[in-house]
Amino acid sequence: EPEVTQTPSHQVTQMGQEVILRCVPISNHLYFYWYRQILGQKVEFLVSFYNNEISEKSEIFDDQFSVERPDGSNFTLKIRSTKLEDSAMYFCASSEEPPGQGTDTQYFGPGTRLTVL
Amino acid sequence: AQKVTQAQTEISVVEKEDVTLDCVYETRDTTYYLFWYKQPPSGELVFLIRRNSFDEQNEISGRYSWNFQKSTSSFNFTITASQVVDSAVYFCALSEAGFGNEKLTFGTGTRLTIIP
Repeated sequence: EPEVTQTPSHQVTQMGQEVILRCVPISNHLYFYWYRQILGQKVEFLVSFYNNEISEKSEIFDDQFSVERPDGSNFTLKIRSTKLEDSAMYFCASSEEPPGQGTDTQYFGPGTRLTVL
Repeated sequence: AQKVTQAQTEISVVEKEDVTLDCVYETRDTTYYLFWYKQPPSGELVFLIRRNSFDEQNEISGRYSWNFQKSTSSFNFTITASQVVDSAVYFCALSEAGFGNEKLTFGTGTRLTIIP
């Protein structure tokens, strides 16, 4: 069964460093998302992406964050200068383009645990 | 603005008991979608069910069942004959109508522990 994959599973970085989190969405999916989950808290929306541009972003997704689809398979989240509060689990998700029927199911990857020291 | 409330932070039941996880939502849209996801100790988010606002039929899938009531803005999840493998955090989520790129708003989750 097709699944969303994410690498690395765990990333440790120093405050102020740049990190890139990678995702490979399900191959026929066209909508991509990033969410984050601070330890013990709820899952929060960061950004959605379609047709090579951001569709929607949350207040969390400030200028330190960027997303890119550099090729036909990868979807990346970059944090330019990490802060301690960026420590969280980051989930990538993807959904198929629905046939005009509304919101399709988002399938999540296993997550990347980011630890900022 | 959309909001999901899961008032039960933690629930513990003995194996084989039935358990119901509550979810109450708020939205101004007349068309919306409700979801349940399971997060086992390994951390991934596993999709369980999607429901649209026009379909109030209850759904059963094996030991799992869902009760959607628009009158009370609730979408509750029941596990019958619980098993240890059901131990996880369960999240209810809401998405307002769109065409494939609508964000999910999650509740705070309910941590379910099944005691052997």
